[in-house]
Amino acid sequence: QSVLTQPPSVSAAPGQTVTISCSGSSSNIGNNYVSWYHQVPGTAPKLLIYDTGRRPSGTPDRFSGSKSGTSATLGITGLQTGDEADYYCGTWDNSLNVGVFGGGTKLTVL
Amino acid sequence: EVQLVESGGGSVQPGGSLRLSCAASGSTFSSYSMHWVRQAPGKGLVWVSRINSDGRTTNYADSVKGRFTISRDNAKSTLYLQMNNLRAEDTAVYYCGRAAAGVLGLDHWGQGTLVTVSS
Repeated sequence: QSVLTQPPSVSAAPGQTVTISCSGSSSNIGNNYVSWYHQVPGTAPKLLIYDTGRRPSGTPDRFSGSKSGTSATLGITGLQTGDEADYYCGTWDNSLNVGVFGGGTKLTVL
Repeated sequence: EVQLVESGGGSVQPGGSLRLSCAASGSTFSSYSMHWVRQAPGKGLVWVSRINSDGRTTNYADSVKGRFTISRDNAKSTLYLQMNNLRAEDTAVYYCGRAAAGVLGLDHWGQGTLVTVSS
C-alpha cells in the first residue's frame, strides 16, 4: 500500500482535459515539492513535472502541476492518444526519511 | 547528453547476493544525489534508496534496510547497489535515477535491470 494515494485509472476523450490527484500528508506533500512521472509500460519513467508545478524542457505546456495542502494534482489539457500511459506522483517524506511514490494512475484516452 | 546505464541484474536464489551498477556519462556525476527505484512485474514504482552527492548520506526503504547498501564512486561516475539476503519479493526491474530537479525530481533514468529471486 502506497504512502501517496492516486486513483487507479482515469479516462477521457481526445481533446478533453483530465486531472489526476495525489493525496498524502503533512509529512510528505504538505511540506515538500511534488514530482510527476509518465511511464509507458516496458520503458523507464520520464519526469513530467518537478517542484510541484515546473516543467522540464521537453514537457509540453499541456501538462501542469499544482498543490493544495496535502494533495497534489496533475492536469493534462488537449488529450492526445499518445498521452496514454501510467502516471506517478512522488515526493520525500520527512517523518519516514524516505522517498515515496503514489500507486500510479493509468490514463486511457478513449 | 546524460546517460545512465544499469548492469548487474540476473537470477539468484533466495538468500543470495547481487551488485547492481549504474554508469553515468554526459554530466558532472559528483554534483547530484542519486536514487534507486524498483518496479515489480505489473506493479508501480517503489523507492529503494538514495545517496547524496559526496556519498556521506544514505537513506533506505524499510523493506531493504540492513540488506541493501547504496554507494558511489565519483571518480568512476558509477552508482552501486549491493543487495544481500535477497528475497522473492525483491524481484523487480531496478532503475537508477539522477536527482537534478528537487529531492525526488529524477530527471534522468537508466533503462532498468531485471533482478529475479527464485529457487
